[in-house]
Amino acid sequence: DVKVTQSSRYLVKRTGEKVFLECVQDMDHENMFWYRQDPGLGLRLIYFSYDVKMKEKGDIPEGYSVSREKKERFSLILESASTNQTSMYLCASSFGRQGFYNEQFFGPGTRLTVL
Amino acid sequence: ELKVEQNPLFLSMQEGKNYTIYCNYSTTSDRLYWYRQDPGKSLESLFVLLSNGAVKQEGRLMASLDTKARLSTLHITAAVHDLSATYFCARTTSGTYKYIFGTGTRLKVLA
Repeated sequence: DVKVTQSSRYLVKRTGEKVFLECVQDMDHENMFWYRQDPGLGLRLIYFSYDVKMKEKGDIPEGYSVSREKKERFSLILESASTNQTSMYLCASSFGRQGFYNEQFFGPGTRLTVL
Repeated sequence: ELKVEQNPLFLSMQEGKNYTIYCNYSTTSDRLYWYRQDPGKSLESLFVLLSNGAVKQEGRLMASLDTKARLSTLHITAAVHDLSATYFCARTTSGTYKYIFGTGTRLKVLA
């Protein structure tokens, strides 16, 4: 079974702190994604990566950065956390090669609260 | 603009009844996905629909895709309480790795 794990289920941080959210997948997937999920707004893509050290901005990248130094690991960084970044953060991964029905596999999510 | 619209947004139904959730998308799509999310949990893949006319079934859920109408449906047959969850559709288009999600349909099945 594909497994996507996230470093924390719940996290409480203070405004201005630098926050690291980590995601690891064990199926050798090329693509990895970070979303945030807020009530009434659905899933919004923050960043995604299609290869090691490669990244592309999603719909709401402001205030976030990412790092992908190894294929299995994709980190989301909040440079200076703010209260409007309080949210559920979901990591996902998928195969990237053409011809595969590249459904996404999601991690359990990290509920981040910024005080 | 790439958009995915689901309706209804909320659905409360009695056990044993049938109902359909609709997913409309704005431009040509290669693939259409359905996911389930239980409260406080992450998303779980249900179906992947690859081509026009595709139909997939798992238990009481059946998904179909009509690419000409840009419409996918998730049909629930004889609903049971365990199906209570939020259901999302999502689409991709070749040449991009981006997935566009609908806003979700929150389903509540009443005993």
